[in-house]
Amino acid sequence: AQSVTQLGSHVSVSEGALVLLRCNYSSSVPPYLFWYVQYPNQGLQLLLKYTSAATLVKGINGFEAEFKKSETSFHLTKPSAHMSDAAEYFCAVSDTGYQKVTFGTGTKLQVIP
Amino acid sequence: EAQVTQNPRYLITVTGKKLTVTCSQNMNHEYMSWYRQDPGLGLRQIYYSMNVEVTDKGDVPEGYKVSRKEKRNFPLILESPSPNQTSLYFCASKDGPPRGNQPQHFGDGTRLSIL
Repeated sequence: AQSVTQLGSHVSVSEGALVLLRCNYSSSVPPYLFWYVQYPNQGLQLLLKYTSAATLVKGINGFEAEFKKSETSFHLTKPSAHMSDAAEYFCAVSDTGYQKVTFGTGTKLQVIP
Repeated sequence: EAQVTQNPRYLITVTGKKLTVTCSQNMNHEYMSWYRQDPGLGLRQIYYSMNVEVTDKGDVPEGYKVSRKEKRNFPLILESPSPNQTSLYFCASKDGPPRGNQPQHFGDGTRLSIL
């Protein structure tokens, strides 16, 4: 069975500070991992995905995530937060990349001016 | 423009009155899925479909039905809605194998209120 844990339902950072959103997964097989962002009143948009090609994955809007198998983690980072980054972020795992997809409970990012 | 279209976007209805939420995608994707989003619970998968006439249960299928008669459409049916089905619903689609690691494309959501 696969599962995702996102630590921290709310994270606040100052504008210009480092953003770190945590995601830990469990999967019986090498997983596909995704980060999505949801802006208010919108659907989810893909930020980045891990598909075993490289452990450090770069996404849109300056975000990146590192796959660490030993820690079963896929944390999302951005060196410098911008006001426009305020949104809810979801980590997702799929052990086949196709069938069942499991989402975390989400982390709301607040950026303080 | 590539998109997933859900209708209606908002609906307020009463307990027991059958309703259907439509979902259509124009990207020729094999895989489609329905999710519900509730505060503190994230997105939970209701049903998914790997191709026409092929559907399977997700994590929370109780009280819902789906059908996949055409590749582009994947309606969600609530035969007898109840207040605990009040939620924000999302439809999504993506390529099937061998491009199974592709991300999902999401619709804009349907907010259902069951009184």
